[in-house]
Amino acid sequence: RKEVEQDPGPFNVPEGATVAFNCTYSNSASQSFFWYRQDCRKEPKLLMSVYSSGNEDGRFTAQLNRASQYISLLIRDSKLSDSATYLCVVDPGAGSYQLTFGKGTKLSVIP
Amino acid sequence: SQTIHQWPATLVQPVGSPLSLECTVEGTSNPNLYWYRQAAGRGLQLLFYSVGIGQISSEVPQNLSASRPQDRQFILSSKKLLLSDSGFYLCARHVGSYNEQFFGPGTRLTVL
Repeated sequence: RKEVEQDPGPFNVPEGATVAFNCTYSNSASQSFFWYRQDCRKEPKLLMSVYSSGNEDGRFTAQLNRASQYISLLIRDSKLSDSATYLCVVDPGAGSYQLTFGKGTKLSVIP
Repeated sequence: SQTIHQWPATLVQPVGSPLSLECTVEGTSNPNLYWYRQAAGRGLQLLFYSVGIGQISSEVPQNLSASRPQDRQFILSSKKLLLSDSGFYLCARHVGSYNEQFFGPGTRLTVL
C-alpha cells in the first residue's frame, strides 16, 4: 500500500459546483496533515493544516478520519481560480523531519 | 517576512556536466531546510534535509549532494548529471511545531 494515495483525477467541474477529494494514508501513527495547492509549473503552497478532526477556511473544509486513515478536502462554490493540483501531505510524527506527499489530484473548474 | 530564494529559475545542462543549485532564506534564523525533486508525473521526493550549518541528511542515495555552508544557505550539487536528474527542484523550510513546510519558487532542470 502506498504511503499517501490520492485519486489523480482530473476532476472537471463547472463553476459554482462542490467538489471533494479524498486521500488515504498508511501510517496510523501520523499526527499532522496538510493540503497544498500547486499551480502548473509553480511551487506547492500550503492551503490548510489539519490537526484534529477537521478545519474550515471559507469555501474550503478539510476533514480527518483517523480510524479509517483518510483526509478529505471539500471545495464549495468552485471558482475558475481554484483550478490547480491539490496535494495531500502527511507528517508521520515521532520527531521525523519528513513529510510524505501524495501525487496530487488535478482540478479543472470550467466556465 | 520569511522568504526563500532559489537560483537559477531554469537550467538546461548536458549529461555529464556539473550542477549547483542555490537556496537562500531570509527573515529567519536556524531554519530546517529541505531539497525536494518533483519529476514529471510524480510526487515530491525528499532528497536532503538540514537542521543546521554543516548538517546534512540524505534520504535517497544518488549522484547528488548537498551542503549548508551558512545558516541561511542550502546548496544542491552534482559532479555529473544524468538524464534522470531532470525535474523541478524545490527548496523548503520548516515552520512551526507542526512541520508545515514552505517552498521556494523552484528550479526547473532539464538534462539533455
